[in-house]
Amino acid sequence: EPEVTQTPSHQVTQMGQEVILRCVPISNHLYFYWYRQILGQKVEFLVSFYNNEISEKSEIFDDQFSVERPDGSNFTLKIRSTKLEDSAMYFCASSAQGATSNEQFFGPGTRLTVL
Amino acid sequence: KQEVTQIPAALSVPEGENLVLNCSFTDSAIYNLQWFRQDPGKGLTSLLLIQSSQREQTSGRLNASLDKSSGRSTLYIAASQPGDSATYLCAVRTWHDMRFGAGTRLTVKP
Repeated sequence: EPEVTQTPSHQVTQMGQEVILRCVPISNHLYFYWYRQILGQKVEFLVSFYNNEISEKSEIFDDQFSVERPDGSNFTLKIRSTKLEDSAMYFCASSAQGATSNEQFFGPGTRLTVL
Repeated sequence: KQEVTQIPAALSVPEGENLVLNCSFTDSAIYNLQWFRQDPGKGLTSLLLIQSSQREQTSGRLNASLDKSSGRSTLYIAASQPGDSATYLCAVRTWHDMRFGAGTRLTVKP
């Protein structure tokens, strides 16, 4: 069964460093998303991406964050200058069509620890 | 602003019992509602998606209902098994984003 994959599973970085989290969505899906879950808190929407551009973003997704689809398979989330409060589990998701009508499938997550 | 609440926060039942998990939301202007399962330290596994025009969806032992006008959804699990132990999340899709509840942590005891 097709699934969303994410690498790395765990990333440790120093405050102020840049990190790139990688995702491979399900191959025939067109819509891609990033979410985060701070330990013990709710899952929070960050951004959605379609046709090589951001379609929606939350107030969390500020100038420190960026997303890119560098090739036909990968979808990345970049955090330019990490802060302690960026420590969280980051989930990538994809859907065949827009999320207003379609089920989203999630990857296993990347645990980001900022020291 | 859409708020999603799940009650109870935790639930422990003996194996074989039927159970209901609740999800409520404050704004009925939703596109759909999705139920997920999350195992400790893991990602989210999609269980059921209900469109705003639908009243219920079924998959195996799971049945989810949606009453958009009252801002409620329930997830019914029949004949629970120890393997059902996990945190169950509901999420509502609005025009701008997807809002999650905090989840119900279910433990099914053998």
